Amino acid sequence: GQNIDQPTEMTATEGAIVQINCTYQTSGFNGLFWYQQHAGEAPTFLSYNVLDGLEEKGRFSSFLSRSKGYSYLLLKELQMKDSASYLCAVRDSNYQLIWGAGTKLIIKP
Amino acid sequence: ETGVTQTPRHLVMGMTNKKSLKCEQHLGHNAMYWYKQSAKKPLELMFVYSLEERVENNSVPSRFSPECPNSSHLFLHLHTLQPEDSALYLCASSQDTGGALSSYEQYFGPGTRLTVT
Repeated sequence: GQNIDQPTEMTATEGAIVQINCTYQTSGFNGLFWYQQHAGEAPTFLSYNVLDGLEEKGRFSSFLSRSKGYSYLLLKELQMKDSASYLCAVRDSNYQLIWGAGTKLIIKP
Repeated sequence: ETGVTQTPRHLVMGMTNKKSLKCEQHLGHNAMYWYKQSAKKPLELMFVYSLEERVENNSVPSRFSPECPNSSHLFLHLHTLQPEDSALYLCASSQDTGGALSSYEQYFGPGTRLTVT
């Protein structure tokens, strides 16, 4: 079967750095996405990785290793507004997104 | 209106009712999706439409019936639902469904919070 694993919950301090990991086992691979979802709101797109390596976008970076079935989302200079759930999703061989259950990130002052 | 809109935002219905959820995208996208989101569970893809043709139906019970009259509108018709169908129903759209080098990220609407009593 297809599976996306990410931690259920993480806690970090304002101004710090946090890394959210995602491992996947899917039938085929056509890209990996990270989305942010604030409580009661819709998911919003953060990043896309299809080739190995690091993609940087402001305070957020995303890394992919296809051989290891592994990705992480790195958030720097954490702000209180970064408190949200972070969803990892992989596009499979049928170009459908397989989603993880999300990591709830709690930022403390 | 911009982005993806959904109506109603909240819906309470009995198990014998019939209701419909509406989604509209103002982004000129070719693909639209229905997802079910339950607490602490991954998003479940229900239906995918590309250029108004259904391309995916992930073994969804027949009490959920989608309709895509054009590339901007998507409906989810509901009838004889069960309490376990209570969830957040999200609509999304993307430029296209395929392509590895292109992200074709999905844009989500705010969702309809459905409660079945």
